[in-house]
Amino acid sequence: DAMVIQNPRYQVTQFGKPVTLSCSQTLNHNVMYWYQQKSSQAPKLLFHYYDKDFNNEADTPDNFQSRRPNTSFCFLDIRSPGLGDAAMYLCATSSVLRASGRKETQYFGPGTRLLVL
Amino acid sequence: ELKVEQNPLFLSMQEGKNYTIYCNYSTTSDRLYWYRQDPGKSLESLFVLLSNGAVKQEGRLMASLDTKARLSTLHITAAVHDLSATYFCAVHGGSQGNLIFGKGTKLSVKP
Repeated sequence: DAMVIQNPRYQVTQFGKPVTLSCSQTLNHNVMYWYQQKSSQAPKLLFHYYDKDFNNEADTPDNFQSRRPNTSFCFLDIRSPGLGDAAMYLCATSSVLRASGRKETQYFGPGTRLLVL
Repeated sequence: ELKVEQNPLFLSMQEGKNYTIYCNYSTTSDRLYWYRQDPGKSLESLFVLLSNGAVKQEGRLMASLDTKARLSTLHITAAVHDLSATYFCAVHGGSQGNLIFGKGTKLSVKP
């Protein structure tokens, strides 16, 4: 089945120790998103890639970076995690209608829960 | 500013009762999404409403869309405990057309 996969599902890191979260997809979608979701809140978009074009949200801290080496994979790097970065991180993908540029339905991965000690 | 407002934010229901969750949005959008999220889990897509007057039903849940009023409803019929979860609505908006989420409605169905 075509899907969005995130690894690891749970990640424990130490304060200030860099961590990388992984997302892969078999849907061949050209857009990949990273969201941060804290307890009892809605998902918050951090950034997205449209093909190789990186689009950062204005309020995403510099501590968060992303890489997309190919269509299938996208990584979220947290350079110096703080206690406030503990959250669920959700990856999603969508296709885009080339004619209109309209983004289609997003498909979410299972998420990675990050704990910062 | 683009806004998606859900109400209520918290809903405690008894099994067997009916209730409606409302989603208002401030931007024009031709599509609206409803997602379900169980504690500690990711978002599960429930409905994609594509046009004015669209109505979709799945089991005890029915969603509708009124694009003129910029309002969607999620109606719960004869609630059961398994429906306990947080429900989010979302629309596309902004210059990039990304999803804008409501704050979510936490539903608790009690025996």
